[in-house]
Amino acid sequence: DAGVIQSPRHEVTEMGQEVTLRCKPISGHDYLFWYRQTMMRGLELLIYFNNNVPIDDSGMPEDRFSAKMPNASFSTLKIQPSEPRDSAVYFCASSLEGRAVDTQYFGPGTRLTVL
Amino acid sequence: TQLLEQSPQFLSIQEGENLTVYCNSSSVFSSLQWYRQEPGEGPVLLVTVVTGGEVKKLKRLTFQFGDARKDSSLHITAAQPGDTGLYLCAGAYSGNTPLVFGKGTRLSVIA
Repeated sequence: DAGVIQSPRHEVTEMGQEVTLRCKPISGHDYLFWYRQTMMRGLELLIYFNNNVPIDDSGMPEDRFSAKMPNASFSTLKIQPSEPRDSAVYFCASSLEGRAVDTQYFGPGTRLTVL
Repeated sequence: TQLLEQSPQFLSIQEGENLTVYCNSSSVFSSLQWYRQEPGEGPVLLVTVVTGGEVKKLKRLTFQFGDARKDSSLHITAAQPGDTGLYLCAGAYSGNTPLVFGKGTRLSVIA
């Protein structure tokens, strides 16, 4: 079975540009999570969805960040406008039921560099 | 404030050595997970512990959850180069709250 799919794997953009990251969760999983990983701050939860509905977006750093899940098989994380401090690896993960003891399956990540 | 402190941050050892890495917090967690992350990939779950004092073994890896459910350790016996990676612990305050991740211990096992 295909795991969590993310695209693009690498993105280099200039400050001020709009960036859109994409995620396809594992089929049948009801929960989808967006994380950001940096050396300084580690892995941080940005937002998560249950059945396509955003449940907690308290980790979204600023209004420049937005996330959508229009259907069960697709989610986007958008940054507009992007800034150099947004440079990080962004992960999408999905889980079957969203309980803390459930396995979260992570995608390979998108490495974002904002110049 | 980092809610989950992992130590050491970096560890480089020779193949065949034993090692222990730690995950500590001042908070009580209802459950704790350990993940391993290899370069260019996402984290992969190794184990989940839910009971204070619980010990779980996965081949050469032994995981322990502290009695007070505030800390955990991961012990690797006879480390191999394939154990190289970033080891992350993640805790949840209750059964339905999101995971909080530590920054990880980066392990390098040299052949």
